Amino acid sequence: DGGITQSPKYLFRKEGQNVTLSCEQNLNHDAMYWYRQDPGQGLRLIYYSQIVNDFQKGDIAEGYSVSREKKESFPLTVTSAQKNPTAFYLCASKEQGRGSQPQHFGDGTRLSIL
Amino acid sequence: GQQVMQIPQYQHVQEGEDFTTYCNSSTTLSNIQWYKQRPGGHPVFLIQLVKSGEVKKQKRLTFQFGEAKKNSSLHITATQTTDVGTYFCAGLFTSGTYKYIFGTGTRLKVLA
Repeated sequence: DGGITQSPKYLFRKEGQNVTLSCEQNLNHDAMYWYRQDPGQGLRLIYYSQIVNDFQKGDIAEGYSVSREKKESFPLTVTSAQKNPTAFYLCASKEQGRGSQPQHFGDGTRLSIL
Repeated sequence: GQQVMQIPQYQHVQEGEDFTTYCNSSTTLSNIQWYKQRPGGHPVFLIQLVKSGEVKKQKRLTFQFGEAKKNSSLHITATQTTDVGTYFCAGLFTSGTYKYIFGTGTRLKVLA
């Protein structure tokens, strides 16, 4: 969707290395999300943030970390503690309030192990 | 824990046939959203259902929310090759929160 930019599109990680996936949005959305998608499977929530300087663990937060220092940005770090990081990572944002709003997704980052 | 089960996992249909995917939750949902993900793409929002028993239509797509707000369905009439993709439901369990639980998705293939 327009307004959410994920980079890079492809990323390779060496054993023991931390890597950071970028997610930037210019939609002025308060809420942002990180999901992991494995081949042929659904989306699993890693972390989400409802407001700047605050974030919550999702269902599979172990081995990942995030920060939300700016409203527009919600980077995800895949740490060396994540033993099976190969997946498609999707970032999403959502408008706050006025009832439930749809999530807008970026184009994703495909992470692979070297 | 909170889970959203979706069936079937895969569905192959001949072009022109109908298609239905179902989502079931263990507990009552505040609302449910439906998304479509084309191969190699990202999920795109289709619709949101909020009220018990709600039915919404978008051209050949019909969405339903169960009376108990625990299940939902997406029905496509007379499928076309452009309908190919994976359809996901996403349930919101607690109103006012921001955490959606996605179903496992139904992958639709349409044979011309």
